[in-house]
Amino acid sequence: DAGVIQSPRHEVTEMGQEVTLRCKPISGHNSLFWYRQTMMRGLELLIYFNNNVPIDDSGMPEDRFSAKMPNASFSTLKIQPSEPRDSAVYFCASSLVRPYNEQFFGPGTRLTVL
Amino acid sequence: GENVEQHPSTLSVQEGDSAVIKCTYSDSASNYFPWYKQELGKRPQLIIDIRSNVGEKKDQRIAVTLNKTAKHFSLHITETQPEDSAVYFCAARSIYNQGGKLIFGQGTELSVKP
Repeated sequence: DAGVIQSPRHEVTEMGQEVTLRCKPISGHNSLFWYRQTMMRGLELLIYFNNNVPIDDSGMPEDRFSAKMPNASFSTLKIQPSEPRDSAVYFCASSLVRPYNEQFFGPGTRLTVL
Repeated sequence: GENVEQHPSTLSVQEGDSAVIKCTYSDSASNYFPWYKQELGKRPQLIIDIRSNVGEKKDQRIAVTLNKTAKHFSLHITETQPEDSAVYFCAARSIYNQGGKLIFGQGTELSVKP
């Protein structure tokens, strides 16, 4: 298995532009998580899905952020319009929903908003 | 609400010494406690986990202990090596969480000096 796949790995954009981050979870996993990591705020959970349904989006910073999971093998995190303070590393992770199953992280997308 | 406090935020040890990182959780319904290691520029990866029906677990040079009464768990690394240098995150998961949501601590940056 290739593990969790994220694209792009690096994204540099200008303030005001739309940014779309993509994630392919491990095949067979039924939970998917989007995290943001910065030096100041650490590792923050933005939103997570179970069986393609959003369960908790309380970590989404504001309306500029949106996430979708149209099927079990694909999810997107969109920022529109982007701002410099959105610069961070965004991780996607997936897991099986059993009592003690590990979350596997993707390699992350490093986003820089100029 | 759910919260995990992690200490210290930074830890510097000499090669060969032991390192201890401590976490406290607030949700008494938590029943799963993983530890993740994140090397510089890499993704977080699970190194060890413990379930609420176990007090201690060891894997070679690393061990985790759990005190459910105090709602406290710790990571112990013995005979530290330079390759142990990384950021370590503790996490907790409630038995009531749909989809396996983890609450992460703030992270501990461990530096092992040769």
